Amino acid sequence: SQQGEEDPQALSIQEGENATMNCSYKTSINNLQWYRQNSGRGLVHLILIRSNEREKHSGRLRVTLDTSKKSSSLLITASRAADTASYFCATGYNAGNMLTFGGGTRLMVKP
Amino acid sequence: DTAVSQTPKYLVTQMGNDKSIKCEQNLGHDTMYWYKQDSKKFLKIMFSYNNKELIINETVPNRFSPKSPDKAHLNLHINSLELGDSAVYFCASSSGGAMQETQYFGPGTRLLVL
Repeated sequence: SQQGEEDPQALSIQEGENATMNCSYKTSINNLQWYRQNSGRGLVHLILIRSNEREKHSGRLRVTLDTSKKSSSLLITASRAADTASYFCATGYNAGNMLTFGGGTRLMVKP
Repeated sequence: DTAVSQTPKYLVTQMGNDKSIKCEQNLGHDTMYWYKQDSKKFLKIMFSYNNKELIINETVPNRFSPKSPDKAHLNLHINSLELGDSAVYFCASSSGGAMQETQYFGPGTRLLVL
């Protein structure tokens, strides 16, 4: 089973609205990362939050991490049509630097 | 310049064939990876490799084997291709270390086995 699981699986919003995606995981982690994947493309790293951090910002992105609940959220503020993509959380917890990805949230931002 | 590149971008082949996918990174990273993304978009790690060790996800069939001619390359060789191997394969790299740092992904290779 996937280590990280995103919720919701799909999200459709209007441009200008905020988008919130959640990720839950099962085991202890060193860090949690969020990636973006545009249709037909590779994944692009967005933000990394370490297990001793609770919140992190990058531009219009805000990530929170609650290790007691084994969950994280990604907030995209003032969304744009160009934010339309799939967003994945990934956790690092095992040997070899291998990340385990969730199933992703497919975000559609309507202009 | 492309940081992580893969060739070919598309690969269509018959069941039973052997094929290779090439990956190169120009980031000077120590660790490279192969992932498989299925039709439902689930992304699964297959291998992690640096110049010291290869770590294999135990669920990967031994028909899949990574080959690294040098630090900047990690190719994926697949023997006796099966229909279920159809997927998008992504190569990635990172600076390594013990803290699962940021990974940089290639554009993917779309494999279709007929």
